[in-house]
Amino acid sequence: AQTVTQSQPEMSVQEAETVTLSCTYDTSENNYYLFWYKQPPSRQMILVIRQEAYKQQNATENRFSVNFQKAAKSFSLKISDSQLGDTAMYFCAFMFNQGAQKLVFGQGTRLTINP
Amino acid sequence: KAGVTQTPRYLIKTRGQQVTLSCSPISGHRSVSWYQQTPGQGLQFLFEYFSETQRNKGNFPGRFSGRQFSNSRSEMNVSTLELGDSALYLCASSSGQNTDTQYFGPGTRLTVL
Repeated sequence: AQTVTQSQPEMSVQEAETVTLSCTYDTSENNYYLFWYKQPPSRQMILVIRQEAYKQQNATENRFSVNFQKAAKSFSLKISDSQLGDTAMYFCAFMFNQGAQKLVFGQGTRLTINP
Repeated sequence: KAGVTQTPRYLIKTRGQQVTLSCSPISGHRSVSWYQQTPGQGLQFLFEYFSETQRNKGNFPGRFSGRQFSNSRSEMNVSTLELGDSALYLCASSSGQNTDTQYFGPGTRLTVL
């Protein structure tokens, strides 16, 4: 079974700093997808970034980028120039390429951006 | 396009009752997945429906059921409610194609007293 582990329950940084959230996963599959979702206090789950396992190039979306290390089964999220609006729970999620739309989530990291 | 909508947003029920939650996917999306979020267990997959058929199911008791209609709207039902069913129930929609990104609704907060 696939598992996703986020080892940092909480993190706190100052506005404008860079922060990296860690995620490791365990799978025997070769083709899969990884995601970072953000859940602000409103509880709305918002997609931050997506990475296809077959792509060696790390995904980026504006201030958000990932460091995908397939051999190490590691998928960290870097947030540059952090903003107050980045305060949220961040979930790492895994989905393997088998047609079924089933996400396996980590336990989440609560990120606080301080002014 | 309008996002995923869920109704109602909040529900309070008592033990033993049943409840039905509704989810309307993004227009054109044919897959709807349901997740339960609790402080203790985190986010857990309940089931997924695609073209009115349950395509995948998580490890939940039979009290949890769902269905999907021809317009892709989905409902989930929980019978004989227990205190432990108190949770945020999230639905997500996608096109249903392999590993297409899922987009989430705002959730239904269910409280069981």
